Amino acid sequence: AQSVTQPDIHITVSEGASLELRCNYSYGATPYLFWYVQSPGQGLQLLLKYFSGDTLVQGIKGFEAEFKRSQSSFNLRKPSVHWSDAAEYFCAVGDYNFNKFYFGSGTKLNVKP
Amino acid sequence: GAVVSQHPSRVICKSGTSVKIECRSLDFQATTMFWYRQFPKKSLMLMATSNEGSKATYEQGVEKDKFLINHASLTLSTLTVTSAHPEDSSFYICSARERTDYGYTFGSGTRLTVV
Repeated sequence: AQSVTQPDIHITVSEGASLELRCNYSYGATPYLFWYVQSPGQGLQLLLKYFSGDTLVQGIKGFEAEFKRSQSSFNLRKPSVHWSDAAEYFCAVGDYNFNKFYFGSGTKLNVKP
Repeated sequence: GAVVSQHPSRVICKSGTSVKIECRSLDFQATTMFWYRQFPKKSLMLMATSNEGSKATYEQGVEKDKFLINHASLTLSTLTVTSAHPEDSSFYICSARERTDYGYTFGSGTRLTVV
């Protein structure tokens, strides 16, 4: 069965520090992978997505993610975090036909001044 | 870019009444729309997938008679919570898949409180 695991429930980083949010997936075929960000009480905003091709994907707001098939991972990174990045981040996987779309449990990011 | 409008953003209703939540794709046609429920400090749980012109596909454990989904057009899907109870209080989010793109766009969510 498909599943997405975000092992870190809560992460705190200092402003200006680098960030890596982990995501592991379990899927029988080629996954379509996404990272979303959610501010409190709001919907989700797409940061980036991976379908095929270059395994390093660039997204909005300076985020990037790298697809590593051998590790079944799709970790999100940002070289320098800004206070406005504090939010909850969700990794998601969709199947080829997009009949199913599953989210990880989310990682809440706090940014220290 | 693609925009999905979800309405209302907040609703308070009395126990036993029904509430309808609308999800509209404003500038694209959505062949498929999804409804999620998010519990406090929890991830999003896929409730059902609706395809225009056909019956929704519900995830295991989701009561189809309680959560009625209608996807009558390529731009509108509705979720009706029937005979709402306090345990139905939650944050409901829809998303739509654009026909020509594999991306998903999410609505801003609806906070339902049943009193």
